[in-house]
Amino acid sequence: DQQVKQNSPSLSVQEGRISILNCDYTNSMFDYFLWYKKYPAEGPTFLISISSIKDKNEDGRFTVFLNKSAKHLSLHIVPSQPGDSAVYFCAARANAGGTSYGKLTFGQGTILTVHP
Amino acid sequence: NAGVMQNPRHLVRRRGQEARLRCSPMKGHSHVYWYRQLPEEGLKFMVYLQKENIIDESGMPKERFSAEFPKEGPSILRIQQVVRGDSAAYFCASSPQGNSPLHFGNGTRLTVT
Repeated sequence: DQQVKQNSPSLSVQEGRISILNCDYTNSMFDYFLWYKKYPAEGPTFLISISSIKDKNEDGRFTVFLNKSAKHLSLHIVPSQPGDSAVYFCAARANAGGTSYGKLTFGQGTILTVHP
Repeated sequence: NAGVMQNPRHLVRRRGQEARLRCSPMKGHSHVYWYRQLPEEGLKFMVYLQKENIIDESGMPKERFSAEFPKEGPSILRIQQVVRGDSAAYFCASSPQGNSPLHFGNGTRLTVT
């Protein structure tokens, strides 16, 4: 039962252009969403998050959009840089009876390659 | 990532042996999580611990796997009688509070031969 899905295994983008990574979820109890970036042989690094009470959150070149009715979120990176090449994971957290903690459900990841 | 320390980075075990994976959380973090990543998959939650307490172990296999986070020392994920299907990357993460974003270590890559 894949509750968080990233349907694109890979994405290739030219440097300077926009990268859009997508994520769909099925669990209506998810109330907090995160994006992590991962380089080979390293652990995931937190990038940006969004609460379900918002529909957009920006941090520099990174913007996350949330469409609750469609159960869809996306990460926009603009402008894309070669150093952004990595695996990007979408993750979601459910509110467990009013208590939230770091039990995350991850998508399968999307490999982003930014070409110079 | 350097803040959460995991060792060893690579671990090779033969079927039937025991594997012990260690995790030292970031300074000041008392919440520890273990995740497992199988090849070509995302990370899967295994267990959530605070000092001396297991808070949520809903992702742990029922047998052979155990975790602890003692009052002193690192958190330990223990896998007894390993099988080939246990081969994976095991990531530890920590946070200062229960609802803070997680900081991950660089993982332990377990290979069972």
